[in-house]
Amino acid sequence: QKEVEQNSGPLSVPEGAIASLNCTYSDRVSQSFFWYRQYSGKSPELIMSIYSNGDKEDGRFTAQLNKASQYVSLLIRDSQPSDSATYLCAVNMYSGGGADGLTFGKGTHLIIQP
Amino acid sequence: NAGVTQTPKFRILKIGQSMTLQCTQDMNHNYMYWYRQDPGMGLKLIYYSVGAGITDKGEVPNGYNVSRSTTEDFPLRLELAAPSQTSVYFCASTGGDNTGELFFGEGSRLTVL
Repeated sequence: QKEVEQNSGPLSVPEGAIASLNCTYSDRVSQSFFWYRQYSGKSPELIMSIYSNGDKEDGRFTAQLNKASQYVSLLIRDSQPSDSATYLCAVNMYSGGGADGLTFGKGTHLIIQP
Repeated sequence: NAGVTQTPKFRILKIGQSMTLQCTQDMNHNYMYWYRQDPGMGLKLIYYSVGAGITDKGEVPNGYNVSRSTTEDFPLRLELAAPSQTSVYFCASTGGDNTGELFFGEGSRLTVL
C-alpha cells in the first residue's frame, strides 16, 4: 500500500514568518515529489516539484527532499495571508514518469495570521 | 485557453440513479485521470488512461466506469449511485513523460441522497 503522510493541521503561522510543511512517504522506489496548493472550493495547483536530494528554491518557496529518510518538506518564507490554503504532498511512485498518477497525502491546512 | 473542462459543476442524485461526469482537455495530453476528494482527505485515484482506448483502475474504482474513445475526452460513469459516492470529483491530465504536473479541472461536486 502506497502511503503519503502529512500532518493535517491546522498549522497557524504569523504573517512574515516561515511556514514549514512536512511529508513522509512509504515506498522507497518513489522518484518524483510534488507540492500542490488548494484553496477552499478550488482545484489543486502545482507549486513545486523536486526529483533529487537537496533543496530547490522558487521565489518564496523551497522544497527539500531526503530520499534516505523518505521525507519531503516545503518552506514558505515571508508568509502572506494569501498563502492560507491546504498544501497537498504528492508522490509519483515510479521512475521515468510513471503513468498511473500520483499518490496524494491528506494535506496540511495552513493559516497565516495577519 | 480552456485546459481541462469538467461538467457538470454540481449535481444531486438519488440513490440508484446513474450519471456521467464529462471531462475534456484541449492540450493534446495522453494521460488523463479521475480523482475523488472527500472532506479533509487527499485525492484518491479512481481510474486513469494513458491514451485513447486504454484505461486502468486506480485505488478506488468500485462503482465507476470510464471510457477513452478520443484523446480529448475521458468521461466517468457512475452506475447505481450510493451515498458513499458523495464527493468532489476532479479530472486531470498531463502530457509527455512528466506525469507529476497534473492540470486539474475545476471539479464536480456530487451529492447522492
